[in-house]
Amino acid sequence: DVKVTQSSRYLVKRTGEKVFLECVQDMDHENMFWYRQDPGLGLRLIYFSYDVKMKEKGDIPEGYSVSREKKERFSLILESASTNQTSMYLCASTRGTNTGELFFGEGSRLTVL
Amino acid sequence: QKEVEQNSGPLSVPEGAIASLNCTYSDRGSQSFFWYRQYSGKSPELIMFIYSNGDKEDGRFTAQLNKASQYVSLLIRDSQPSDSATYLCAVNAGGYQKVTFGTGTKLQVIP
Repeated sequence: DVKVTQSSRYLVKRTGEKVFLECVQDMDHENMFWYRQDPGLGLRLIYFSYDVKMKEKGDIPEGYSVSREKKERFSLILESASTNQTSMYLCASTRGTNTGELFFGEGSRLTVL
Repeated sequence: QKEVEQNSGPLSVPEGAIASLNCTYSDRGSQSFFWYRQYSGKSPELIMFIYSNGDKEDGRFTAQLNKASQYVSLLIRDSQPSDSATYLCAVNAGGYQKVTFGTGTKLQVIP
């Protein structure tokens, strides 16, 4: 059974803290993605990666960075968390050239106080 | 800005009826179309994809695509209470293009 695992389901952080969200997939997928999901705004792409050490900006990369040192792991970093980054964060992966057949992790709900 | 539009709902249908979920998109270059189901508090799950004009059936689900009208729909036959969820439409231009999601339609199937 395919699996995308996000390290933390719920996090509470304070403004200005550095936040790491980890994602691991066991499907040997080339492509990995970070989305955030907010009511009324839907799913918005933050960053994605097509290969190890490669990264591409999505639609809302400001305030975020990513790291992909190994094929199975894709990390999202909030250098200095702000209250407007309170959201549900979803990691996803796909195989090959069609990036629409996404497998999602369970999500990480981040609250920034 | 590429856009994918969905009616937010809720769309309420009685158990056993056909639920019809609709989606329009703005980018004429779009090649691939996806429907995801998201239960409350859970992550999205891919249930259908369609790449060619016409209908594609999978069990109780039928995806319909009309590229000329820039319109894609999802029909759910014999709706069950377990189908109650938010359905997300997603579109991309194929290949390594980014996927754009609609904001979803909430479906409620009334027993």
